[in-house]
Amino acid sequence: QVQLQQSGAELAKPGSSVKISCKASGYTFTSYAMHWIKQTTGQALEWTGYIAPGSGGTKYNEKFKGKATLTVDKSSSTAYMQLSSLTPVDTAVYYCARVIRGTFAYWGQGTLVTVSS
Amino acid sequence: DIQMTQSPASLSASLGETVSIECLASEGISNDLAWYQQKSGKSPQLLIYAASRLQDGVPSRFSGSGSGTRYSLKISGMQPEDEADYFCQQSYKYPFTFGSGTKLEIK
Repeated sequence: QVQLQQSGAELAKPGSSVKISCKASGYTFTSYAMHWIKQTTGQALEWTGYIAPGSGGTKYNEKFKGKATLTVDKSSSTAYMQLSSLTPVDTAVYYCARVIRGTFAYWGQGTLVTVSS
Repeated sequence: DIQMTQSPASLSASLGETVSIECLASEGISNDLAWYQQKSGKSPQLLIYAASRLQDGVPSRFSGSGSGTRYSLKISGMQPEDEADYFCQQSYKYPFTFGSGTKLEIK
């Protein structure tokens, strides 16, 4: 069965960067784009972007260009999202998700990123 | 970006009651609309896709309808396990966008 296993919670200082991971299993990793979604404590959900693991091609929400960088390691079926120049507004739970028919059918368990001095 | 206006923000219902949640898109989205349920501390789970198609394994008391810019999710007979947050999401155009959510509680 499809599983997306994310890395653990991160505590980061303002101005620093974090890199969170999402290890996929149960399907051919290179056949499906991996999407990333931000959820703030106010519960709002924002689509951040996606990466096509086969080609490495990416598409970002304009709002997250320069903030998020998506990469993959095909050898380990793992997708990564690096968040840079962190500020408190980046504090959120970040999910990886796989799409079917344009909808997020499979989700990781989420990674909490807390930005605090 | 397509704005998704979801209402109500919160709702309380008695067991067995039928409830409805609505989403209004800022432009037509051609039924490219999904509904998700999120229980406390968990990831969102897909309920409905293509506006009215039930995801495998989702109870039949959940249904979706709508067209153009207006869509709704109906729960026919509230159950205790339905207490959760619900979100709509459009996949008609990038960036994909979500409604602000509806908190559904048992009365």
